[in-house]
Order: sequence, then structure tokens, then C-alpha cells
Amino acid sequence: DVQLVESGGGLVQPGGSLRLSCAASGFTFSDQFMDWVRQAPGKGLEWVGRIRNKANRYTTEYAASVKDRFTISRDDSKNSVYLQVNSLKIEDTAVYYCAKDGAFRGLNYWGQGTLVTVSS
Amino acid sequence: DFQLTQSPSFLSASVGDRVTITCRASQGINSYLAWYQQKPGKAPKLLIYDASTLQSGVPSRFSGSGSGTEFTLTINSLQPEDFATYYCQQLNSYPRAFGQGTRLEIK
Repeated sequence: DVQLVESGGGLVQPGGSLRLSCAASGFTFSDQFMDWVRQAPGKGLEWVGRIRNKANRYTTEYAASVKDRFTISRDDSKNSVYLQVNSLKIEDTAVYYCAKDGAFRGLNYWGQGTLVTVSS
Repeated sequence: DFQLTQSPSFLSASVGDRVTITCRASQGINSYLAWYQQKPGKAPKLLIYDASTLQSGVPSRFSGSGSGTEFTLTINSLQPEDFATYYCQQLNSYPRAFGQGTRLEIK
């Protein structure tokens, strides 16, 4: 069975940083593109970004709201994808989900999410 | 800027009803649209991709249609477990934006 397990969330002050992790199992991780999506409390879903696979040079795409502050990376040897979040703002408070990217077929598996709270 | 607009934002219906949710794109996205269902405290679940293809395991009472700029999600014969929030997402270009969501509640 496909499993995605996020970790690394927590309480951080404005301007701070965190590294979120997503451990994957149940599929050939190295072949897949992976996405991050976030959801602020009581709000809708916001696409954060995407990382492609090795064949596509691990290239990334980001939402304008996070570009230059967030970085997605992966370690295929550990079946893991990461989201480095820097220069955090109050409005970055959200549950962060990683998702397996089926390209034009949508985000077909999601983790349970990890909560990031930005507060002084 | 690209916009993906869902309507209605809120929908009240009864078990057994048929409901339709619309997603409009500000520019054409071919058929690269997905629909998700999210229940409180849970991760979203993919229902439909390519505008009309049912994800494996999703009940056939769910259906999708449309292409270009206008898309619909229809749920026939609502079941108690269908009361949730539904989102569309465009997969044609970046950013891969979501609609703002439609909350479906029991009347």
C-alpha cells in the first residue's frame, strides 16, 4: 500500500525556518514527481510546489507566494521528499501535505499532513 | 492572473439528492482538471482526473464533465458519507491552483 508520512512541523517564530520531511513507501519513489500542498486553518487548499524525478533533473516549480523562501528537495535513496521553509510569516501557518503526483492524473495519494504554526 | 472559480461555495442537500458543482477556469486548460473530496481533519482524496475519469475505487455515483474553461462534478443519489468539502484543481500549467472549495452539508 502507498504510504506518505510527513514530519517536522511545529511552532516557530516569524522569520524562522523549518525542514519538513515526507517518507514514502509502497511505490517506486524515484520514478515519481512529488508535490507539497498546504491548508491554513479553516481555509482551502493551496498548491505549494512540485519536484520532478531524476530523469527530469529534479527540477522544481513553486507558487508565487512561497518562491524564494521555500525549497523542495528529495533523497531517492531514502524515499523521502523535503520542504525547507525559510523566512516564515504568520500567514504560512498551515497543515502541510505531501502528495504523490500523477502528473495530469492529479495528486493520487496524500500524507496525513504536518502542522506548522508561525507565532511569536 | 489565472483564476479557478468554484460555485457554489456552500451547498445544502439531502440524502438521495443529485448535486452539481461547477469549476470555471479563467483560461482554457484542456481537460486537465481534477476533483478532490476532503472530510474534516483528513487529507484530500482524489475523485476524478482528466475532467471525467473516475479514480480507482471511487463510487460510480460521482461523475465529472467539461473541457476548456467550464467543468462540473455531479454526485447522484447522495449518501451520508458524501457530505464533505470538494475542490477542483487545474493541472494544465503553473501554479497548479485549486478552486476555493464547495462545502456540501446535510439539509
